[in-house]
Amino acid sequence: AQKVTQAQTEISVVEKEDVTLDCVYETRDTTYYLFWYKQPPSGELVFLIRRNSFDEQNEISGRYSWNFQKSTSSFNFTITASQVVDSAVYFCALTSNFGNEKLTFGTGTRLTIIP
Amino acid sequence: DAGITQSPRHKVTETGTPVTLRCHQTENHRYMYWYRQDPGHGLRLIHYSYGVKDTDKGEVSDGYSVSRSKTEDFLLTLESATSSQTSVYFCAIQGGTSTDTQYFGPGTRLTVL
Repeated sequence: AQKVTQAQTEISVVEKEDVTLDCVYETRDTTYYLFWYKQPPSGELVFLIRRNSFDEQNEISGRYSWNFQKSTSSFNFTITASQVVDSAVYFCALTSNFGNEKLTFGTGTRLTIIP
Repeated sequence: DAGITQSPRHKVTETGTPVTLRCHQTENHRYMYWYRQDPGHGLRLIHYSYGVKDTDKGEVSDGYSVSRSKTEDFLLTLESATSSQTSVYFCAIQGGTSTDTQYFGPGTRLTVL
């Protein structure tokens, strides 16, 4: 069975601070994909990143960066210089059903950026 | 924009009534999914489809059925709605900008009284 744990239910930081959202996963498969999605207050789910298990390189996209560590089964997400628009619920997800990507989601982390 | 629409966007119904939610896509993607989102649970897979008339169960399929008679439409039916099915329902397609990624519709908020 697969499992994704986002232990941080809610986080609040002051604008311009850096913040890291944790994601720990469990799977018996050696090949898998990890994802992050953002759900702003408007409610839609926005895809942020996909990482496959063969690629442990960290990724940076503007103020966003992702740290993938197979040794600790973690795929953490850092926002640098946070902004109010970053306020959202963030979901980490996992799949190893290639061709049919049935996703297992974490319970989400609600991030509030205080102006 | 993956061209996914859901209808209705909001619905209030009474216990015991049938409800059908529709997901429509414009780009002929093979895989389509229905999830429900509940506080403390994240998103959980209800059913998915891998082609016309080809569907299978997900993690929380009890009380739900699906149909896919056309590539573009994936219907989720609650045969007899219960209060425990009050939730936000999301449809997703696999494909688009990144072929191994799911893209989600805007969601349907369903309240069962």
